[in-house]
Formats: sequence, structure tokens, C-alpha cells
Amino acid sequence: GAVVSQHPSRVICKSGTSVKIECRSLDFQATTMFWYRQFPKQSLMLMATSNEGSKATYEQGVEKDKFLINHASLTLSTLTVTSAHPEDSSFYICSANGGIESYNEQFFGPGTRLTVL
Amino acid sequence: DQQVKQNSPSLSVQEGRISILNCDYTNSMFDYFLWYKKYPAEGPTFLISISSIKDKNEDGRFTVFLNKSAKHLSLHIVPSQPGDSAVYFCAATVNTGTASKLTFGTGTRLQVTL
Repeated sequence: GAVVSQHPSRVICKSGTSVKIECRSLDFQATTMFWYRQFPKQSLMLMATSNEGSKATYEQGVEKDKFLINHASLTLSTLTVTSAHPEDSSFYICSANGGIESYNEQFFGPGTRLTVL
Repeated sequence: DQQVKQNSPSLSVQEGRISILNCDYTNSMFDYFLWYKKYPAEGPTFLISISSIKDKNEDGRFTVFLNKSAKHLSLHIVPSQPGDSAVYFCAATVNTGTASKLTFGTGTRLQVTL
């Protein structure tokens, strides 16, 4: 099956700093990637849809200036949490659609645990 | 507004028996449904999906049933194995012909006991 990687898997940072999370599709090209966050014992909440070569589409309530998304190539999307605060601590997961034949199936990365002190 | 709901937060089943996980949705525009399995601190893994033009899809030990009139779907795992212990999420989307965003349920933690 399609493989999606994320880096780093875990990051701890000080309040006020910025953190970049990378999402890569390893064996397929993904024109669309999605970013989710999950709080403990809760569902995955979609933050934004990232399209290669265009601006990301953010869900209601998600600050686009705080969560910067860049999808510079067909295999890489990045999420930058700017001026991070403790309430941004969460599990961030990206996904990529499987291509034309399986566009409804999303393949997920392993997630990134962000802890803001 | 939770458009996809999994009303059972947890389920315990004995090894070898059938596990039935349920999911309800409210948005009648949803026409494609998926089930994912998730371990702690990992991303979800795709299990099985079903289009609204079908009422059943089977893949090995996993079968998904869809009842459109009731806006209800279920995942059957038989026989259940200890390795099936995980959190299961159902998800729904509107089939647009391109990559579409998923709406996830709240998850059901399945524990398969020996």
C-alpha cells in the first residue's frame, strides 16, 4: 500500500517558537494532502486541505496565519506551527489521497506529537 | 455538530467471536464511507470502504454493511483476534471525483480478550 511519512515523530519546544512538520508520500504522488489534529481520546479533526501549487484551504476556526501550510511538490507538504503555545500541544497527522484510482482513500502518516512548554 | 457518530466508546469481545462496530451519520450528502484502525501514537490505517450504491462490502475477516435509509453502517470482524485490539474510526465523505475531505467519527476502542 501507499506509504506516508512524517518528520519529526515527536517534538518539544518552548512557547513562542515555531515548529515545522513535514509530510511526505514515499511511493506515490499526491496532489492533495490533508492535515489533522487529534486531542487525547478525541476524533481526528481536519485542519486544512493542502493542494500542490496552490494555497491551502482551511477549516472553519483554524487560523491560517498560525498554521502555515506549504505544498511545494507532489510528494511533500509542510505544516508550520508559528509562535506555538501550550494549547497547540496535540497529535498532528497528515494524509495523502491515493491517486486517481483511489482518490477517496487517504493514507495517513504516523503522526507528530507536539508538546509546547 | 458531530455529523458522524460512534456511540459506543469501547467494546470488549472474546477471541474468535464476532466484533460489531457501529457508526451513524446525519449528513445525507455522504456517499462514501471508510473504516480505519488506529493504534496509540500512530496514524490511522485504512481497513475497508463502501460506496453508497452498495449495501455490503467484504474483505477477508472484515465486512462493512451500509443501511442508507437508517444512515447507519457497521463493521463486522470475524473471527476477532487479539491483534485487532485498537481504536476504530468510521469516516464519511462526499464523492466528488477528486480527493475529498473525510469527516471522522469519535472512535470505538475494541479490546479482544483471550
